[in-house]
Amino acid sequence: GNSVTQMEGPVTLSEEAFLTINCTYTATGYPSLFWYVQYPGEGLQLLLKATKADDKGSNKGFEATYRKETTSFHLEKGSVQVSDSAVYFCALSEGGGAQKLVFGQGTRLTINP
Amino acid sequence: GAGVSQSPRYKVAKRGQDVALRCDPISGHVSLFWYQQALGQGPEFLTYFQNEAQLDKSGLPSDRFFAERPEGSVSTLKIQRTQQEDSAVYLCASSLVGGLRLNEQFFGPGTRLTVL
Repeated sequence: GNSVTQMEGPVTLSEEAFLTINCTYTATGYPSLFWYVQYPGEGLQLLLKATKADDKGSNKGFEATYRKETTSFHLEKGSVQVSDSAVYFCALSEGGGAQKLVFGQGTRLTINP
Repeated sequence: GAGVSQSPRYKVAKRGQDVALRCDPISGHVSLFWYQQALGQGPEFLTYFQNEAQLDKSGLPSDRFFAERPEGSVSTLKIQRTQQEDSAVYLCASSLVGGLRLNEQFFGPGTRLTVL
């Protein structure tokens, strides 16, 4: 079946550091790919998405590129802030009307000032 | 505007009790999803409704789990004869349209169920 594997956490960085959180997937067909974020005490929020190969999703300084050849969707940010501290989930949605999301296990990110 | 709301936010049940978890989706949203999130894990799909029709219940872990959305709006997830392994956060999400169009799922805050 379809699955998502994320870089294990927790990840701790200093403010203004470069961030990469790795995500790879296994899927049949042509899934759409997502990053969701869960800030402390809040619900899951969509951070960015990409719906086809070579698409780049971006939001709030975060970027991720849909790489079909490596089945990856790594999350990057050039300069992290304390406010980016959260749990990040990579997810895929199967195509053809099956909209359910398949999530990775999540990566907890802590940014120190 | 109002987002997805869930109640109760916390529920403690004794093993063997029945529980009912409620989800109020965003008004007008056609699709509704339930997910189960165990501690330290990502959410896992349970079931999906398009309006009042339950189109996919492949993720329900056993026949003790039952979901309904009788009028195509509010949904209830019921767990009968709860077991300790049912302890998790239950998330509800809704999205504007259904069918083949991909669109954003908006998540509620979740109900944390603890079974003693």
